[in-house]
Amino acid sequence: RKEVEQDPGPFNVPEGATVAFNCTYSNSASQSFFWYRQDCRKEPKLLMSVYSSGNEDGRFTAQLNRASQYISLLIRDSKLSDSATYLCVVNWAGNNRKLIWGLGTSLAVNP
Amino acid sequence: DGGITQSPKYLFRKEGQNVTLSCEQNLNHDAMYWYRQDPGQGLRLIYYSQIVNDFQKGDIAEGYSVSREKKESFPLTVTSAQKNPTAFYLCASSMADNQPQHFGDGTRLSIL
Repeated sequence: RKEVEQDPGPFNVPEGATVAFNCTYSNSASQSFFWYRQDCRKEPKLLMSVYSSGNEDGRFTAQLNRASQYISLLIRDSKLSDSATYLCVVNWAGNNRKLIWGLGTSLAVNP
Repeated sequence: DGGITQSPKYLFRKEGQNVTLSCEQNLNHDAMYWYRQDPGQGLRLIYYSQIVNDFQKGDIAEGYSVSREKKESFPLTVTSAQKNPTAFYLCASSMADNQPQHFGDGTRLSIL
């Protein structure tokens, strides 16, 4: 099993749609989880951290399921500006602590 | 304004040449990182540093070197031993190794 795995997509959705991405991780001891977005040829930018109880930031909702070892990102009322690649990031809890980056899920929101 | 500054934005390397990419942060972060991203690929960790005067190899350190003489600065040297250096190089920093990382704008390196 890969350390962090995401469906690469692309997800093509119309404006106003609700879309959800999942990300699975292999290290059950991981404690920190994040979603980033990356626009084409730009640096990744932090979208939100993911907390155990789930958290919301405007149209974005993040959830953590420790039992099944996945995190999710829900985007409501999609905007054209949401088109980007969404990266799942998990900390690697072990001797060599670092963040492990997923390859990303591509989202295209269409008019 | 606090942030991470990478320079140059674009860099060209000749055969057999070493080049150095600059990364400076004024966020007072202890940890700093260098990543490489190839087209259509994920981020791969080259080197990271959790404290001044200390750094560790990441997953693809061969052909690269770093130094961490000051908290604010973490320059990356791409040596002539790196045979495929063309990529997008990203520097990041964080308060600690399990905290969110914040990125600079990146440097695009190409071979002449």
